[in-house]
Amino acid sequence: GDSVTQMEGPVTLSEEAFLTINCTYTATGYPSLFWYVQYPGEGLQLLLKATKADDKGSNKGFEATYRKETTSFHLEKGSVQVSDSAVYFCALSETDSGSARQLTFGSGTQLTVLP
Amino acid sequence: GAVVSQHPSRVICKSGTSVKIECRSLDFQATTMFWYRQFPKQSLMLMATSNEGSKATYEQGVEKDKFLINHASLTLSTLTVTSAHPEDSSFYICSARVVGDTQYFGPGTRLTVL
Repeated sequence: GDSVTQMEGPVTLSEEAFLTINCTYTATGYPSLFWYVQYPGEGLQLLLKATKADDKGSNKGFEATYRKETTSFHLEKGSVQVSDSAVYFCALSETDSGSARQLTFGSGTQLTVLP
Repeated sequence: GAVVSQHPSRVICKSGTSVKIECRSLDFQATTMFWYRQFPKQSLMLMATSNEGSKATYEQGVEKDKFLINHASLTLSTLTVTSAHPEDSSFYICSARVVGDTQYFGPGTRLTVL
């Protein structure tokens, strides 16, 4: 079945440091890939997505490129801020002809940015 | 756009009582809604998939008689935790799917059963 493997946390960085959170996936078809962010006490917010190979999703300074050859979707940001402290989830959704497409989540990576 | 709300945000109840959680898509119609459960510092576990006007599809290991899901309209799905016990205490999150793959999530409901 489908699975998503994320870099284990927690990750602690200083403000303005470079961030990479690794994500690899296993899927039988051609999935869409997502990064969601969860701030303390809140639900998940979609951060960015990519629907096909070589697509780059970007939002709020975060980027991730859909790499089919390495089955990866690593999240990067050039300069993190304290406000980026949150839990980040990588997820995939299989493309099929059905009406409901479930998300498969990674385990989440806690990021803490120190001032 | 694509805002999903949940009510209540927090609920505390006594063991043996039932609790209803509402999930609404505020500015779009959602033919499919999903219910997740999240334990502290863990990922989301899909509980069930809810399609408007039909019975929910439950994931393996989720008791359908304990977690009742009703998707009565294109903008509302409800999860009722029946005869709640302390082990049901958790963070419950719903999501609604719009056209394409994207799911938009509600802010979650923190359930505490005493």
